[in-house]
Amino acid sequence: NAGVMQNPRHLVRRRGQEARLRCSPMKGHSHVYWYRQLPEEGLKFMVYLQKENIIDESGMPKERFSAEFPKEGPSILRIQQVVRGDSAAYFCASSPLERETQYFGPGTRLLVL
Amino acid sequence: GQQLNQSPQSMFIQEGEDVSMNCTSSSIFNTWLWYKQDPGEGPVLLIALYKAGELTSNGRLTAQFGITRKDSFLNISASIPSDVGIYFCAGRGSNYKLTFGKGTLLTVNP
Repeated sequence: NAGVMQNPRHLVRRRGQEARLRCSPMKGHSHVYWYRQLPEEGLKFMVYLQKENIIDESGMPKERFSAEFPKEGPSILRIQQVVRGDSAAYFCASSPLERETQYFGPGTRLLVL
Repeated sequence: GQQLNQSPQSMFIQEGEDVSMNCTSSSIFNTWLWYKQDPGEGPVLLIALYKAGELTSNGRLTAQFGITRKDSFLNISASIPSDVGIYFCAGRGSNYKLTFGKGTLLTVNP
């Protein structure tokens, strides 16, 4: 029963470093979504991807953030030159089709020192 | 953008009591979802609602999709200690994007 997998579960970076967060969707799911959760807040949509395509990145900061979902391998959320304000939990979700139920992974908790 | 107001923000109850929480929106949603999040984990789907007026149960949990399509509630009956966690409502409009409430923190005293 392999659900959505994310790694690492915890990531510590110093200001200015790069953070790479990985997400492997559930088997058979080709739609991936990334959300960010700040402390004591709900999840906020960042980006929606299908294999090799970014469909909607309207929730992602224009600078320093990028996402990809290659033909082979996991989806990657990349944050360059991290700042303290990037500290948050980043969740990936997947669905079999666009408007079907999204299933979430356990998240990556990023701490920027 | 769409706003979801979830209340209450937190609840402290005794084991065995019933619980009710709700979400209201400034705009219409086509789908309402209720998730539970345990500490250090991701949200787990509890109930999905697809039609206005729909009332759906999952064990001790019952949720309803409001007639106006701008609100939803979740009830938990006969609470038990493992019900502790943060409960989130989420709404989806005509596309794939989920809008989440800020969550209700539930504490159950044994």
